[in-house]
Amino acid sequence: AQRVTQPEKLLSVFKGAPVELKCNYSYSGSPELFWYVQYSRQRLQLLLRHISRESIKGFTADLNKGETSFHLKKPFAQEEDSALYYCAPAYSGAGSYQLTFGKGTKLSVIP
Amino acid sequence: ETGVTQTPRHLVMGMTNKKSLKCEQHLGHNAMYWYKQSAKKPLELMFVYNFKEQTENNSVPSRFSPECPNSSHLFLHLHTLQPEDSALYLCASSQEGVTYNEQFFGPGTRLTVL
Repeated sequence: AQRVTQPEKLLSVFKGAPVELKCNYSYSGSPELFWYVQYSRQRLQLLLRHISRESIKGFTADLNKGETSFHLKKPFAQEEDSALYYCAPAYSGAGSYQLTFGKGTKLSVIP
Repeated sequence: ETGVTQTPRHLVMGMTNKKSLKCEQHLGHNAMYWYKQSAKKPLELMFVYNFKEQTENNSVPSRFSPECPNSSHLFLHLHTLQPEDSALYLCASSQEGVTYNEQFFGPGTRLTVL
């Protein structure tokens, strides 16, 4: 079974400080890698995907195939970044891609 | 309504009841999904429908029965549930193709089984 590990359940940082949310995944073929985010009282939504190499809301994520990691980073945290973040590799199976979600990391940015 | 909608938003049911959750997507997508989100476990994929055909059933107990009458609607029929089935049930949709495309999620149905 595919596994995703997000070791921190809760992460608190001060506003303006760098933030890194860790994610490690089990290797099986070449998964596509995503980060989803859930802001307070909002639905789960895509934050960024590795393949597009975009920077969304100042966040970036670097794929390290050797370490099978896909950590999410932002140089200067903002209060509006407080949310629940899920790392989600997508694996191909039975003709469709399936997302496997980590347990999530709740980021709290302290003013 | 736009995006993915789910009804009801909250549901309380006894173990002997039969109820259904409804999901509707207004995005023209061809794939729909049911997920279970509980406090103690990661978000778990339950069922996948692609062009109205069920392509995945991730070892979900038979007390959960999905139905996809068309590519815009997805139901989850519930009967003889257990208290441990209490959770947030999320529906999502996407446009399936050669590569993976973003899934759009609904707001969820908060289910409590007494």
